[in-house]
Amino acid sequence: ETGVTQSPTHLIKTRGQQVTLRCSSQSGHNTVSWYQQALGQGPQFIFQYYREEENGRGNFPPRFSGLQFPNYSSELNVNALELDDSALYLCASSLVRDNEQFFGPGTRLTVL
Amino acid sequence: DAKTTQPPSMDCAEGRAANLPCNHSTISGNEYVYWYRQIHSQGPQYIIHGLKNNETNEMASLIITEDRKSSTLILPHATLRDTAVYYCIVRVLNYGQNFVFGPGTRLSVLP
Repeated sequence: ETGVTQSPTHLIKTRGQQVTLRCSSQSGHNTVSWYQQALGQGPQFIFQYYREEENGRGNFPPRFSGLQFPNYSSELNVNALELDDSALYLCASSLVRDNEQFFGPGTRLTVL
Repeated sequence: DAKTTQPPSMDCAEGRAANLPCNHSTISGNEYVYWYRQIHSQGPQYIIHGLKNNETNEMASLIITEDRKSSTLILPHATLRDTAVYYCIVRVLNYGQNFVFGPGTRLSVLP
């Protein structure tokens, strides 16, 4: 195990709703990255937070937003859910200068 | 888009070495080669990374060609628990840089 935890494990929402996913980073890690993984594909980078500020963003619309808190935990918020948002959402923590990212187990979001 | 090319699937007999190839012909001089794997429905797990030299750790060995255009991940004695999707990624070590995952190689270790 990596020490990165995510909640909830599974979530079912309906189209148009909003969702908040949570991530606790590994102890001492000040950087959190979020990824979306659709079924059968590799993870796609959403954004990264470093010291409570967004520090890079992938090709995702503004309805995907995030927060990082002083304890380095993080939230991913998705507004106006669409069916295509159904995916495994992964959180990864790292030290900025470190080589590897440590992934949590993910949150499986289903949008009906 | 991912900068690497991997075969979509491979099989390996249990107890034998699994050799997973990766092509990264456009790799830049400051880009590292990383390997992650993902066991079904879990988060990706870091395996190993390298720049120029071959690397070995308790999980695997990474062999990088001299021109750095390709590499091979070697699992010396594959077990059933090594069945997973293996991702080869090239990445600059820098602020805000993240991992661009391709579809990876699905390795099946057979009894």
